[in-house]
Amino acid sequence: GESVGLHLPTLSVQEGDNSIINCAYSNSASDYFIWYKQESGKGPQFIIDIRSNMDKRQGQRVTVLLNKTVKHLSLQIAATQPGDSAVYFCAEGRSNMLTFGGGTRLMVKP
Amino acid sequence: NAGVTQTPKFQVLKTGQSMTLQCAQDMNHEYMSWYRQDPGMGLRLIHYSVGAGITDQGEVPNGYNVSRSTTEDFPLRLLSAAPSQTSVYFCASSYRSKGAGELFFGEGSRLTVL
Repeated sequence: GESVGLHLPTLSVQEGDNSIINCAYSNSASDYFIWYKQESGKGPQFIIDIRSNMDKRQGQRVTVLLNKTVKHLSLQIAATQPGDSAVYFCAEGRSNMLTFGGGTRLMVKP
Repeated sequence: NAGVTQTPKFQVLKTGQSMTLQCAQDMNHEYMSWYRQDPGMGLRLIHYSVGAGITDQGEVPNGYNVSRSTTEDFPLRLLSAAPSQTSVYFCASSYRSKGAGELFFGEGSRLTVL
């Protein structure tokens, strides 16, 4: 079946640097895409979303880019902080169903 | 502000036993859902509901039942637990106008089936 996946299972960055987490998706019919952050022992937390008719959306320190031509989604975190250390999931949505990818662990080195 | 509350946080069952995971939200969200998360993996949708009296299957519904008699509550029932159902279960809710998009998750219920 169609699925959402991530290129890198673990990403290690220096504090203050920018982070880029990538995600590939295969379902061209998805209406929207979302990034979630999950800290150890907690439930996922919404970060930012983007609809399929957009190619870029910015939030506070985060930017999501959508490239529908190559079915690629990325999350950019500016000035990465220790508090950003977590597992990040991309998810694709169609109507009322959300399909999650496998997750990327972001480790921030002091 | 409680948000999404799940109980119990931890549970150990023997194969064949039944139990119900409780989920309640106080945000008046119409959409509620259950996911399971296995070690090192993403979340997989079990069942969801777009409003009281309406439920539908997700990716992995076998072995689980749900009901939605009120807007606030969305319990998940395991009728005959199997070791393959050992997982962390998350309940999540959102405003219906956003579909399943901006989900608010509970803290999770860790289930072990022996």
